Amino acid sequence: TQLLEQSPQFLSIQEGENLTVYCNSSSVFSSLQWYRQEPGEGPVLLVTVVTGGEVKKLKRLTFQFGDARKDSSLHITAAQTGDTGLYLCAGDYGGGADGLTFGKGTHLIIQP
Amino acid sequence: EPEVTQTPSHQVTQMGQEVILRCVPISNHLYFYWYRQILGQKVEFLVSFYNNEISEKSEIFDDQFSVERPDGSNFTLKIRSTKLEDSAMYFCASSEATWGYQPQHFGDGTRLSIL
Repeated sequence: TQLLEQSPQFLSIQEGENLTVYCNSSSVFSSLQWYRQEPGEGPVLLVTVVTGGEVKKLKRLTFQFGDARKDSSLHITAAQTGDTGLYLCAGDYGGGADGLTFGKGTHLIIQP
Repeated sequence: EPEVTQTPSHQVTQMGQEVILRCVPISNHLYFYWYRQILGQKVEFLVSFYNNEISEKSEIFDDQFSVERPDGSNFTLKIRSTKLEDSAMYFCASSEATWGYQPQHFGDGTRLSIL
């Protein structure tokens, strides 16, 4: 059974600060996705990373895939209150129609 | 932007009854998935479906569960005899079948409450 650990589980910071959340596994991912989930809604895809060492940017969000494809990080620069939410990473260990393995998520609160 | 739609948004059912959850995947997608999320827990994979057959299923997806693509647009999850522990959010997802990685896009879920 592959496990995917996210840290921290909860994070509360002031608006304008920077933060990083982490996603780690003992197994190699074929690809990894970051999602954001609002209460009562489904996960919304933010980014997919596939290549070891890959870095993708989405406005103030920077996603990095580890060289060994076992870990990933999400860095938010100058956090805003609108960034508040649950951030999930989900790994794909195979290809095609494989189910995703999700982490428990990081609950992020940005205080004004 | 195309999206995955799920109905109903909330289903309340007596224990032991059959329930069918419905999903309309994104129109050009060929891979379909069901996941569940018990309150306060992580999202868990149930089953994937391609070319009118199950591709992969988890240990959760036992004989009480079945999936079907009854027509060209709908994808359903049936729970034959519901148990209290089936109470959860059920998410449908779909992905495009192309070479390379195909990200999964999720619907907003059906909240299933078993009484």
